[in-house]
Amino acid sequence: GENVEQHPSTLSVQEGDSAVIKCTYSDSASNYFPWYKQELGKRPQLIIDIRSNVGEKKDQRIAVTLNKTAKHFSLHITETQPEDSAVYFCAASMATGGYNKLIFGAGTRLAVHP
Amino acid sequence: NAGVMQNPRHLVRRRGQEARLRCSPMKGHSHVYWYRQLPEEGLKFMVYLQKENIIDESGMPKERFSAEFPKEGPSILRIQQVVRGDSAAYFCASSPAGGQYNEQFFGPGTRLTVL
Repeated sequence: GENVEQHPSTLSVQEGDSAVIKCTYSDSASNYFPWYKQELGKRPQLIIDIRSNVGEKKDQRIAVTLNKTAKHFSLHITETQPEDSAVYFCAASMATGGYNKLIFGAGTRLAVHP
Repeated sequence: NAGVMQNPRHLVRRRGQEARLRCSPMKGHSHVYWYRQLPEEGLKFMVYLQKENIIDESGMPKERFSAEFPKEGPSILRIQQVVRGDSAAYFCASSPAGGQYNEQFFGPGTRLTVL
């Protein structure tokens, strides 16, 4: 089955710097890659997603890139702010017919210091 | 438009008791997923249900765990004879029917503590 590895497990940056989180997946049939942000004690919230027919997607300060050949995808946050501090999870799934069984990475705890 | 609702938010059980976790999907959503999150870990898929049907339960332990999503009412995740290792946050997520890449909207979770 699918396996998703995520690095680093913790990331500390200064406010205004960029943050990059990387994930690799094992199942070449996976075609949907969402990223979730989870603040302490809260629910995971989708921040951006990318499908396998796209190599890059950007939404304001957040971007995601996908390399299908290497089976890895990355989250890029630019101009980080203290409110970006949270745990970020990548996930992969083989989306078909509305069925998205998400396989999550172990998470990256991002700390943005003022 | 209310989001995904889960109750209770916190549940304390003693070993051997039963735990019932409820999930009400967003209005118009007929797909429900349950995930378990152990402390300091990622979310692990447990089961995927549509109304009145279990579609994929490959992530759910074969014993003590069961799930349902009846025609009327919320989805229920039931854990019988709980053990300390069941202590975790249980999240459900819902998505609408149709489409291929449907976003999953997560509920606030139920934090189960087994004493």
